[in-house]
Amino acid sequence: SQQGEEDPQALSIQEGENATMNCSYKTSINNLQWYRQNSGRGLVHLILIRSNEREKHSGRLRVTLDTSKKSSSLLITASRAADTASYFCATDAGTGRRALTFGSGTRLQVQP
Amino acid sequence: SQTIHQWPATLVQPVGSPLSLECTVEGTSNPNLYWYRQAAGRGLQLLFYSVGIGQISSEVPQNLSASRPQDRQFILSSKKLLLSDSGFYLCAWRGGPGVLTFGAGSRLTVL
Repeated sequence: SQQGEEDPQALSIQEGENATMNCSYKTSINNLQWYRQNSGRGLVHLILIRSNEREKHSGRLRVTLDTSKKSSSLLITASRAADTASYFCATDAGTGRRALTFGSGTRLQVQP
Repeated sequence: SQTIHQWPATLVQPVGSPLSLECTVEGTSNPNLYWYRQAAGRGLQLLFYSVGIGQISSEVPQNLSASRPQDRQFILSSKKLLLSDSGFYLCAWRGGPGVLTFGAGSRLTVL
């Protein structure tokens, strides 16, 4: 089953604008991760935020986590055409199977 | 450094034919390995995971099976493919902090 659900499903913006994607999940987590997928390729890890963290930055990426609302957001600032991709959140519940549960993703289109 | 190889990249198979997708990891030992499937425009569904040689856990009852004959080799198989087996199959291994590293994927079309 899908643990994370991203919102919006699709987002189209102009280069230079900021892009915000949201993720909601259902169960308690150890950490939450964001991944990027270029069309037809494998996923690439972007950033991990632990359950005891509220905000994390990496370059032009900013991730927030609200465990009380079971939600996270990914902000990409000053977007570039090369940021065009699908973005997925994934939750790690810290259970024995040690597998991540992925959401359905947000397709981001950055217009040059 | 660790790398993950997955093949074939693309295949088209008739209904009822067998399937074998292979994944190998280099630069690490005793990795946790995973097979995910992604339907067109959708998220990833966990199919199998393995914490060691010969140890396979299945997440979803289906027409597929997995095997881990060697420490860094993970194979996804089917004896008879169904149309519903079409999709993008991704192998991944889990690093120390819990981050997954994915292969490039195998796109399967069953006709």
